[in-house]
Amino acid sequence: QVQLVQSGAETKKPGASVMVSCKTSGYTFTSNDINWMRQATGQGLEWMGWMSPRSGYTGYAQKFQGRVTMTRDTSTDTAYMELSNLTFDDTAVYFCARGINRGCDFWGQGTLVTVSS
Amino acid sequence: QAVLTQPASLSASPGASASLTCTLRSGINVGPYIIYWYQQKPGSPPRFLLRYQSDSDKQQGSGVPSRFSGSKDASANAGILLISGLQSEDEADYYCLIWHNGAYVFGTGTKVTVL
Repeated sequence: QVQLVQSGAETKKPGASVMVSCKTSGYTFTSNDINWMRQATGQGLEWMGWMSPRSGYTGYAQKFQGRVTMTRDTSTDTAYMELSNLTFDDTAVYFCARGINRGCDFWGQGTLVTVSS
Repeated sequence: QAVLTQPASLSASPGASASLTCTLRSGINVGPYIIYWYQQKPGSPPRFLLRYQSDSDKQQGSGVPSRFSGSKDASANAGILLISGLQSEDEADYYCLIWHNGAYVFGTGTKVTVL
């Protein structure tokens, strides 16, 4: 069965960077894009960008341009999202999700990133 | 004005039907868009319910009951998620999603309460 398993919670200081991983299984990793979203406590979902595991091509939401980097390791079927220059407003649960036909189907369990001084 | 607007909340009784709307901003025609719907319960990731483009192009999520269905209302310029025979387990937040101008856009979300 399709599974996306994310890395554990992180606490970072303002100005630092965080990297979240998303290990996939149950399907061919290079056949579907990986999307990253986030959700602050009590708020809605916000799309951050996408990555093609086959080519490595990426597309980032304008809000995160210059601050987010999405990469992958095809030897371990794992996608990564790095967000730099963190501020308190980046405190949120971050999700990865498999892309299908202009949407997403399977989601990771989420990774809480807390930015605290 | 948000690209996708959803009512903040909706309440209904068990067994009733609930119609959730996802209204596209004026100037963006719902016709060509594939609309995705997700259900999210506290502490859990969103769950893919279905996608709807037209009656001939739609997909139900894996294991999603048929009482969840999608449609479009062209006159209202909106995507619709219909939940028939509401159950207590349907109490959750619901989000719509489209791909628009090279980016994914989520709706503002609707909190469904089953009274």
